[in-house]
Amino acid sequence: NAGVTQTPKFQVLKTGQSMTLQCAQDMNHNSMYWYRQDPGMGLRLIYYSASEGTTDKGEVPNGYNVSRLNKREFSLRLESAAPSQTSVYFCASSRQGMTEAFFGQGTRLTVV
Amino acid sequence: QQPVQSPQAVILREGEDAVINCSSSKALYSVHWYRQKHGEAPVFLMILLKGGEQKGHEKISASFNEKKQQSSLYLTASQLSYSGTYFCGTEILNYGGSQGNLIFGKGTKLSVKP
Repeated sequence: NAGVTQTPKFQVLKTGQSMTLQCAQDMNHNSMYWYRQDPGMGLRLIYYSASEGTTDKGEVPNGYNVSRLNKREFSLRLESAAPSQTSVYFCASSRQGMTEAFFGQGTRLTVV
Repeated sequence: QQPVQSPQAVILREGEDAVINCSSSKALYSVHWYRQKHGEAPVFLMILLKGGEQKGHEKISASFNEKKQQSSLYLTASQLSYSGTYFCGTEILNYGGSQGNLIFGKGTKLSVKP
């Protein structure tokens, strides 16, 4: 009963390095989301995918790219990491847009 | 586009009630409520859909005023376990349905003391 699985849980990057955050769900959900959480800012939507094969920008997409590899997987890529991208990243999924979202346990990313 | 939550923080004694408000500048298809404990992922509490259908959680209730684009979360007879940060999430109305994204407010930190 895994739900939403994110990898890695922790990561330290140097400025300019690239990396991909992985997210997979086993609930056959259509919609998937990537958020970042910073103190006092709440959860801010980076990108979302309403169905397999589609992706759309959220509130803060600059500096990120995403891939909806298949129905299960939705990855987030940082091409050239910056200290401003230090944050906790959450992946979430839902059956459709109007049903509850399930969150992964988060990835704590530090860019030095 | 981010909904506005109020208050930013609340301190309660066990057994007291609280109301958390959420308002949007856009027409809404639905409003979600989540609670997050420190160091954990947000957990679903409730969803309120356009048209009035509501799904919920025992002892915690919510209202959704579609015309005012507002929602309120009511926590009654608070318990220590209610402590955490509460987030409202909104789906924007788009051609009668959902735009497909889920935008969260900045959160309301609730602390329940013995």
